[in-house]
Amino acid sequence: AQKVTQAQTEISVVEKEDVTLDCVYETRDTTYYLFWYKQPPSGELVFLIRRNSFDEQNEISGRYSWNFQKSTSSFNFTITASQVVDSAVYFCALSEAAQGGSEKLVFGKGMKLTVNP
Amino acid sequence: DSGVTQTPKHLITATGQRVTLRCSPRSGDLSVYWYQQSLDQGLQFLIQYYNGEERAKGNILERFSAQQFPDLHSELNLSSLELGDSALYFCASSLTTNYNEQFFGPGTRLTVL
Repeated sequence: AQKVTQAQTEISVVEKEDVTLDCVYETRDTTYYLFWYKQPPSGELVFLIRRNSFDEQNEISGRYSWNFQKSTSSFNFTITASQVVDSAVYFCALSEAAQGGSEKLVFGKGMKLTVNP
Repeated sequence: DSGVTQTPKHLITATGQRVTLRCSPRSGDLSVYWYQQSLDQGLQFLIQYYNGEERAKGNILERFSAQQFPDLHSELNLSSLELGDSALYFCASSLTTNYNEQFFGPGTRLTVL
């Protein structure tokens, strides 16, 4: 069965610090997708990024960057110069091919980031 | 705003009751997913519909059922409610089923008293 592990459950940093959120996954599929979602205190889940298993290029979007390493089955997320608005729970997820050919998301348990002013 | 709408936002009910949660996917999306988020189980996949047909089932209880209507909106029916069913229920939609990113609605918070 596929699994996503976010070993850190909670991190607290001071504004402008860099922070890295770890994600390790397990899958036997050769084709899969990895995702990061953000859940701010308001509760909604916000899509951040999707990465396919054949593309190991790092991605940068503003202060956010992602490092995908197939060799270590990791898909880590770094926030540079963190801001108070980054405070949220962050989920890493793996797209698993369920029966019938559909893809459901398997989520990690989430990591609560608190950025203090 | 993801474009996915869910109603109601909050629902408080008693054990043994039945409730219906509603979801409207983003315009053009054919696939609808339901997830449950609880403190002990985290975010878990319940069920998926694609263009009106059930496509995949996850950890969905027999007391729960869902359907997707011709206009592509979906309803999740929860019956014989128990205290443990209290959770945040998310609906997500995607264009098709090919590993597309899923966009989530704001969720319905269900409290069973």
